[in-house]
Amino acid sequence: SAVISQKPSRDICQRGTSLTIQCQVDSQVTMMFWYRQQPGQSLTLIATANQGSEATYESGFVIDKFPISRPNLTFSTLTVSNMSPEDSSIYLCSVVAGGPSEQFFGPGTRLTVL
Amino acid sequence: RKEVEQDPGPFNVPEGATVAFNCTYSNSASQSFFWYRQDCRKEPKLLMSVYSSGNEDGRFTAQLNRASQYISLLIRDSKLSDSATYLCVVNPNNTNAGKSTFGDGTTLTVKP
Repeated sequence: SAVISQKPSRDICQRGTSLTIQCQVDSQVTMMFWYRQQPGQSLTLIATANQGSEATYESGFVIDKFPISRPNLTFSTLTVSNMSPEDSSIYLCSVVAGGPSEQFFGPGTRLTVL
Repeated sequence: RKEVEQDPGPFNVPEGATVAFNCTYSNSASQSFFWYRQDCRKEPKLLMSVYSSGNEDGRFTAQLNRASQYISLLIRDSKLSDSATYLCVVNPNNTNAGKSTFGDGTTLTVKP
């Protein structure tokens, strides 16, 4: 299994500012994933964070808006840049551990943009 | 059409009832399938994997029908603690579970 922590757990931000979310895993993992879950909806994959290379973004998400860092095998950050109210969402970090198919999720960061 | 579709519910059932959730997926090449549970304001957690032969874990039974591209979850003898949102998850291959596609979830409320 994997234990994942995220900081901050929640934040309220002003339009036009940026927020960096941190994700820490208690074991080394090859890939880390960032998801967004908008109110009343399911999870949408934003990008895959690879250690030692650039993140891989899904359709509809770009690096300028969601820059990601992956400095080592246990840590990643996601920045939500130039925020607008449409970015209000829960952002979750995830890893695959304990087998090829089981995903573990962090507790999420609840972001509200005013 | 969404890649993974679920009946959103809500399902409101009394304790002890049997309830079934359905899920369909559009990618016929999908390889692995899961049910996750998400409690209110919490992160999703794996409930069970779904295998072609069907599998059971206590009160929970999952079935997969590849021909119809259909997955089901059956909960017997519902408990109050079963109240949650159940997410159907489909993965195109067995090597990168992080690329899974999540359904929008089915909400279950079990009442006393």
